[in-house]
Amino acid sequence: NAGVTQTPKFQVLKTGQSMTLQCAQDMNHNSMYWYRQDPGMGLRLIYYSASEGTTDKGEVPNGYNVSRLNKREFSLRLESAAPSQTSVYFCASSEGVYSNQPQHFGDGTRLSIL
Amino acid sequence: AQSVTQLGSHVSVSEGALVLLRCNYSSSVPPYLFWYVQYPNQGLQLLLKYTTGATLVKGINGFEAEFKKSETSFHLTKPSAHMSDAAEYFCAVSERYSSASKIIFGSGTRLSIRP
Repeated sequence: NAGVTQTPKFQVLKTGQSMTLQCAQDMNHNSMYWYRQDPGMGLRLIYYSASEGTTDKGEVPNGYNVSRLNKREFSLRLESAAPSQTSVYFCASSEGVYSNQPQHFGDGTRLSIL
Repeated sequence: AQSVTQLGSHVSVSEGALVLLRCNYSSSVPPYLFWYVQYPNQGLQLLLKYTTGATLVKGINGFEAEFKKSETSFHLTKPSAHMSDAAEYFCAVSERYSSASKIIFGSGTRLSIRP
């Protein structure tokens, strides 16, 4: 029962390098999200996709792009990595985009930018 | 604007003792409220949620939370702590009838259990 799967689990990049974080869910959920988690700051929404074919900015979108490849997959791209993007990144999904619906999270990608 | 405050970034209790993790929110109307748990090197898992109806909500692993409108609180409790409860706990709030993209997470409380 995989749920939400994120790859890779760990990554170290140099400043200026690019990278794509992958996320796939097998729950037939319509909505997907990308968050970053920094110490003492909880989770902050980067981008989300309410349904296949749509994407929207969250609270902290600068420096990131996303692609909703199909209903299952939602990727996050860093075009030119910066040390401020060192963080733990979580992908989540929910059945729909309504605010009473819980989100299901992957185990995260730990990203370090040197 | 909505906000959520978790009092205490770190709480330590003895095994078998009461667990109380505090969460207060700010919202113009009663929101939806959630508690999530995060074990080391894992993502967040839903513990429980309040949307409507009974204000005392029971969740997984023996946890429960009570929505108190007058106090704008949604504190998480468990009568008897177990070593396996050691984790980080996040309170979250979202506005009724809005998008899940508007959910706001608290900064988290790390729970430690002393043998």
